Amino acid sequence: QLKLQESGPGLVRPSETLALTCTVSGGSISSVDHFWGWIRQPPGKGLEWIGSIYFAGNSYYNPSLKDRLTMSVDPSKNHFSLSLTSVAAVDTAIYYCARFRRRAARPGPQDLWGQGIQVTVSS
Amino acid sequence: DIQMTQSPSSLSASVGDRVTITCQASDDIRMFLNWYKQKPGKAPELLIYDASNLETGVPSRFSGSGSGTDFTLTINNLQPDDVATYFCQQYDDLPPLTFGGGTKVEI
Repeated sequence: QLKLQESGPGLVRPSETLALTCTVSGGSISSVDHFWGWIRQPPGKGLEWIGSIYFAGNSYYNPSLKDRLTMSVDPSKNHFSLSLTSVAAVDTAIYYCARFRRRAARPGPQDLWGQGIQVTVSS
Repeated sequence: DIQMTQSPSSLSASVGDRVTITCQASDDIRMFLNWYKQKPGKAPELLIYDASNLETGVPSRFSGSGSGTDFTLTINNLQPDDVATYFCQQYDDLPPLTFGGGTKVEI
């Protein structure tokens, strides 16, 4: 059974870079039928899509984060990663990694999610 | 960006009731609309994809309908396990992929 697991620091200082990794187990990240990506949820609020990436490297980013965001995928380690620079308190959230079904060469429904990782931005 | 507006933001119903949640898109998204259920402290899970397709393993009391700009999630015979927040999501026009604000369902 395929599973996703987020890892990374729970606390990041303002203006620093947040780096998270999602490890895929029980299946291959090199699936032609799926994208992989991140969604976050600030405390007590709704869901915000961050971005999605294909194993071959093509990616889609949320325009609101595009200038600070880099996503990468490493098929040899079966994981994908997120890097968000210049973080501030507004970036405090639970960060979920997820598998996206590929639809017309774009990311579609998210059919598998990690458990989420709480990230707090604070000095 | 396409804005997704859900209503109501919260509701309270009784076990066995039929519950209806609506989601309106700011522009035509054809059938590219998904519904998710999120229990407190848990990750969301996919319920309905492409407006009306029930995800494998989801009880048949859940159903979705609509196209274009107006969509509905219906829960028949509401059960205690259905207490959760429900989100709609469009993926026709991306980036960005966008979510509705959520509907909290209580019993």
